[in-house]
Amino acid sequence: DADVTQTPRNRITKTGKRIMLECSQTKGHDRMYWYRQDPGLGLRLIYYSFDVKDINKGEISDGYSVSRQAQAKFSLSLESAIPNQTALYFCATSDPSVSGELFFGEGSRLTVL
Amino acid sequence: KQEVTQIPAALSVPEGENLVLNCSFTDSAIYNLQWFRQDPGKGLTSLLLIQSSQREQTSGRLNASLDKSSGRSTLYIAASQPGDSATYLCAVGGSGAGSYQLTFGKGTKLSVIP
Repeated sequence: DADVTQTPRNRITKTGKRIMLECSQTKGHDRMYWYRQDPGLGLRLIYYSFDVKDINKGEISDGYSVSRQAQAKFSLSLESAIPNQTALYFCATSDPSVSGELFFGEGSRLTVL
Repeated sequence: KQEVTQIPAALSVPEGENLVLNCSFTDSAIYNLQWFRQDPGKGLTSLLLIQSSQREQTSGRLNASLDKSSGRSTLYIAASQPGDSATYLCAVGGSGAGSYQLTFGKGTKLSVIP
Protein backbone atom coordinates (compact mmCIF):
# COMPACT_ATOMS: atom_id res chain seq x y z
CA ASP A 1 0.00 0.00 0.00
CA ALA A 2 1.09 3.56 -0.69
CA ASP A 3 2.56 5.58 2.16
CA VAL A 4 0.49 8.63 1.14
CA THR A 5 -3.02 7.85 -0.09
CA GLN A 6 -5.36 10.31 -1.75
CA THR A 7 -9.07 9.86 -2.39
CA PRO A 8 -10.76 10.23 -4.75
CA ARG A 9 -8.23 9.82 -7.57
CA ASN A 10 -10.56 11.36 -10.10
CA ARG A 11 -13.61 13.54 -9.64
CA ILE A 12 -15.86 15.46 -12.00
CA THR A 13 -18.19 17.97 -10.45
CA LYS A 14 -20.25 21.03 -11.30
CA THR A 15 -19.75 24.67 -10.51
CA GLY A 16 -20.97 25.56 -7.03
CA LYS A 17 -20.67 22.10 -5.53
CA ARG A 18 -18.72 21.41 -2.34
CA ILE A 19 -15.85 18.99 -2.81
CA MET A 20 -13.56 17.32 -0.31
CA LEU A 21 -10.26 15.67 -1.17
CA GLU A 22 -8.82 13.40 1.48
CA CYS A 23 -5.27 12.42 2.28
CA SER A 24 -3.98 9.84 4.73
CA GLN A 25 -0.40 8.81 5.45
CA THR A 26 1.33 5.95 7.19
CA LYS A 27 4.79 7.56 7.35
CA GLY A 28 4.25 9.04 10.81
CA HIS A 29 5.20 12.51 9.61
CA ASP A 30 3.94 15.61 11.39
CA ARG A 31 4.04 17.90 8.37
CA MET A 32 1.47 17.61 5.61
CA TYR A 33 0.88 19.73 2.52
CA TRP A 34 -1.62 20.29 -0.26
CA TYR A 35 -0.32 21.36 -3.67
CA ARG A 36 -2.04 22.08 -6.93
CA GLN A 37 -0.49 21.41 -10.34
CA ASP A 38 -1.53 23.20 -13.51
CA PRO A 39 0.03 22.83 -16.97
CA GLY A 40 2.61 25.55 -17.51
CA LEU A 41 2.43 26.78 -13.90
CA GLY A 42 4.11 24.02 -11.98
CA LEU A 43 3.15 23.04 -8.44
CA ARG A 44 1.86 25.67 -6.05
CA LEU A 45 1.29 25.33 -2.33
CA ILE A 46 -2.30 25.70 -1.12
CA TYR A 47 -2.07 24.91 2.62
CA TYR A 48 0.35 23.23 4.96
CA SER A 49 0.14 21.86 8.48
CA PHE A 50 2.98 21.29 10.94
CA ASP A 51 0.80 19.38 13.37
CA VAL A 52 -2.87 18.90 14.24
CA LYS A 53 -3.14 22.37 15.78
CA ASP A 54 -0.96 24.28 13.32
CA ILE A 55 -2.40 25.06 9.89
CA ASN A 56 -0.99 27.68 7.54
CA LYS A 57 -2.00 29.27 4.26
CA GLY A 58 0.21 28.75 1.28
CA GLU A 59 0.63 30.72 -1.91
CA ILE A 60 -2.89 30.14 -3.30
CA SER A 61 -5.30 29.44 -0.41
CA ASP A 62 -8.26 31.55 -1.61
CA GLY A 63 -11.29 29.35 -2.34
CA TYR A 64 -9.90 26.43 -0.31
CA SER A 65 -10.07 25.27 3.29
CA VAL A 66 -8.40 22.38 5.11
CA SER A 67 -8.90 20.19 8.13
CA ARG A 68 -6.25 18.20 9.99
CA GLN A 69 -8.33 15.52 11.67
CA ALA A 70 -5.37 13.59 13.03
CA GLN A 71 -1.63 13.35 12.52
CA ALA A 72 -2.28 10.98 9.64
CA LYS A 73 -5.18 12.77 7.94
CA PHE A 74 -5.35 16.10 6.10
CA SER A 75 -8.37 17.05 3.99
CA LEU A 76 -8.77 19.79 1.41
CA SER A 77 -12.19 21.31 0.74
CA LEU A 78 -13.52 23.46 -2.05
CA GLU A 79 -16.57 25.13 -0.56
CA SER A 80 -18.04 26.20 -3.89
CA ALA A 81 -16.08 24.79 -6.80
CA ILE A 82 -15.40 26.92 -9.87
CA PRO A 83 -13.97 25.88 -13.27
CA ASN A 84 -10.55 27.46 -12.69
CA GLN A 85 -10.07 25.04 -9.80
CA THR A 86 -9.81 22.25 -12.34
CA ALA A 87 -6.34 20.84 -11.68
CA LEU A 88 -4.30 17.95 -10.34
CA TYR A 89 -4.08 18.10 -6.54
CA PHE A 90 -1.29 16.52 -4.54
CA CYS A 91 -0.92 15.77 -0.87
CA ALA A 92 2.58 15.47 0.55
CA THR A 93 4.28 14.77 3.86
CA SER A 94 7.70 15.46 5.35
CA ASP A 95 9.70 14.99 8.52
CA PRO A 96 12.18 17.87 8.89
CA SER A 97 13.80 16.25 11.92
CA VAL A 98 15.14 13.56 9.58
CA SER A 99 15.86 15.20 6.22
CA GLY A 100 12.96 17.37 5.13
CA GLU A 101 12.41 15.14 2.11
CA LEU A 102 8.92 15.45 0.67
CA PHE A 103 6.81 12.36 -0.14
CA PHE A 104 3.84 12.74 -2.46
CA GLY A 105 0.58 10.92 -2.99
CA GLU A 106 -0.56 9.79 -6.45
CA GLY A 107 -2.72 12.86 -6.95
CA SER A 108 -6.42 13.67 -7.29
CA ARG A 109 -7.58 14.93 -10.66
CA LEU A 110 -10.48 17.35 -10.23
CA THR A 111 -12.59 18.65 -13.10
CA VAL A 112 -15.11 21.40 -12.43
CA LEU A 113 -17.65 21.87 -15.22
CA LYS B 1 10.27 35.59 -3.50
CA GLN B 2 12.14 32.49 -4.59
CA GLU B 3 11.95 31.67 -8.29
CA VAL B 4 13.06 28.36 -9.77
CA THR B 5 13.80 27.92 -13.45
CA GLN B 6 14.45 24.71 -15.34
CA ILE B 7 16.02 24.74 -18.77
CA PRO B 8 15.34 23.20 -21.21
CA ALA B 9 11.59 22.65 -20.92
CA ALA B 10 11.91 19.54 -23.07
CA LEU B 11 14.79 17.34 -24.13
CA SER B 12 15.01 14.38 -26.48
CA VAL B 13 18.08 12.13 -26.51
CA PRO B 14 19.03 8.74 -27.97
CA GLU B 15 19.29 5.79 -25.62
CA GLY B 16 22.66 5.41 -23.97
CA GLU B 17 23.54 9.09 -23.94
CA ASN B 18 24.64 10.88 -20.79
CA LEU B 19 22.65 14.04 -20.09
CA VAL B 20 22.39 16.99 -17.73
CA LEU B 21 19.25 18.76 -16.55
CA ASN B 22 19.59 22.25 -15.17
CA CYS B 23 17.88 24.07 -12.32
CA SER B 24 18.52 27.65 -11.22
CA PHE B 25 17.11 29.58 -8.26
CA THR B 26 17.17 33.24 -7.31
CA ASP B 27 17.58 33.15 -3.49
CA SER B 28 20.63 31.26 -2.23
CA ALA B 29 19.31 31.06 1.36
CA ILE B 30 17.89 27.58 0.93
CA TYR B 31 17.23 24.70 3.33
CA ASN B 32 17.56 21.97 0.74
CA LEU B 33 16.99 21.09 -2.90
CA GLN B 34 15.08 18.09 -4.13
CA TRP B 35 14.82 16.46 -7.56
CA PHE B 36 11.64 14.60 -8.45
CA ARG B 37 10.46 12.45 -11.31
CA GLN B 38 6.86 12.58 -12.53
CA ASP B 39 5.35 10.12 -14.98
CA PRO B 40 2.24 11.19 -16.92
CA GLY B 41 -0.84 11.31 -14.70
CA LYS B 42 1.16 10.14 -11.71
CA GLY B 43 2.50 11.56 -8.50
CA LEU B 44 6.01 12.82 -7.84
CA THR B 45 8.74 10.38 -6.90
CA SER B 46 11.67 11.76 -4.95
CA LEU B 47 14.98 11.05 -6.66
CA LEU B 48 17.62 12.93 -4.69
CA LEU B 49 17.68 15.38 -1.80
CA ILE B 50 20.63 17.69 -1.24
CA GLN B 51 20.90 19.55 2.05
CA SER B 52 22.17 23.11 1.92
CA SER B 53 25.49 22.03 3.47
CA GLN B 54 26.10 19.37 0.80
CA ARG B 55 27.58 19.68 -2.68
CA GLU B 56 26.18 16.55 -4.31
CA GLN B 57 24.21 13.35 -3.91
CA THR B 58 24.32 10.16 -5.93
CA SER B 59 21.88 7.33 -6.46
CA GLY B 60 22.66 4.71 -9.06
CA ARG B 61 22.94 6.40 -12.48
CA LEU B 62 21.82 9.75 -11.04
CA ASN B 63 24.04 12.47 -9.63
CA ALA B 64 22.76 15.82 -8.40
CA SER B 65 25.02 18.75 -7.60
CA LEU B 66 24.34 21.98 -5.74
CA ASP B 67 26.14 25.31 -5.99
CA LYS B 68 24.34 27.68 -3.65
CA SER B 69 26.54 30.66 -4.37
CA SER B 70 25.62 30.63 -8.06
CA GLY B 71 22.04 29.46 -7.47
CA ARG B 72 22.38 26.34 -9.57
CA SER B 73 21.79 22.61 -9.42
CA THR B 74 22.28 19.95 -12.05
CA LEU B 75 20.91 16.44 -12.37
CA TYR B 76 23.23 14.16 -14.31
CA ILE B 77 21.78 10.96 -15.78
CA ALA B 78 24.29 8.43 -17.01
CA ALA B 79 23.63 5.94 -19.81
CA SER B 80 20.03 7.02 -20.35
CA GLN B 81 17.32 4.40 -20.93
CA PRO B 82 13.81 4.65 -22.41
CA GLY B 83 12.46 4.05 -18.89
CA ASP B 84 14.01 7.35 -17.86
CA SER B 85 11.45 9.18 -20.00
CA ALA B 86 9.46 11.39 -17.65
CA THR B 87 9.24 14.97 -16.42
CA TYR B 88 11.94 15.94 -13.95
CA LEU B 89 11.14 18.61 -11.38
CA CYS B 90 13.50 20.60 -9.22
CA ALA B 91 12.22 22.02 -5.93
CA VAL B 92 13.97 24.38 -3.55
CA GLY B 93 13.22 24.52 0.17
CA GLY B 94 13.39 27.95 1.80
CA SER B 95 14.79 28.50 5.27
CA GLY B 96 12.82 31.39 6.72
CA ALA B 97 11.13 31.53 10.17
CA GLY B 98 12.16 28.04 11.23
CA SER B 99 10.03 26.33 8.62
CA TYR B 100 10.31 25.65 4.94
CA GLN B 101 8.18 25.53 1.86
CA LEU B 102 9.19 24.11 -1.48
CA THR B 103 9.24 26.27 -4.58
CA PHE B 104 9.02 24.16 -7.72
CA GLY B 105 10.36 24.67 -11.20
CA LYS B 106 8.10 23.87 -14.13
CA GLY B 107 10.08 20.79 -15.05
CA THR B 108 12.05 19.35 -17.94
CA LYS B 109 10.26 16.73 -20.02
CA LEU B 110 12.78 14.08 -21.02
CA SER B 111 12.27 11.64 -23.87
CA VAL B 112 14.83 8.87 -24.36
CA ILE B 113 14.55 7.39 -27.83
CA PRO B 114 15.31 3.66 -28.23
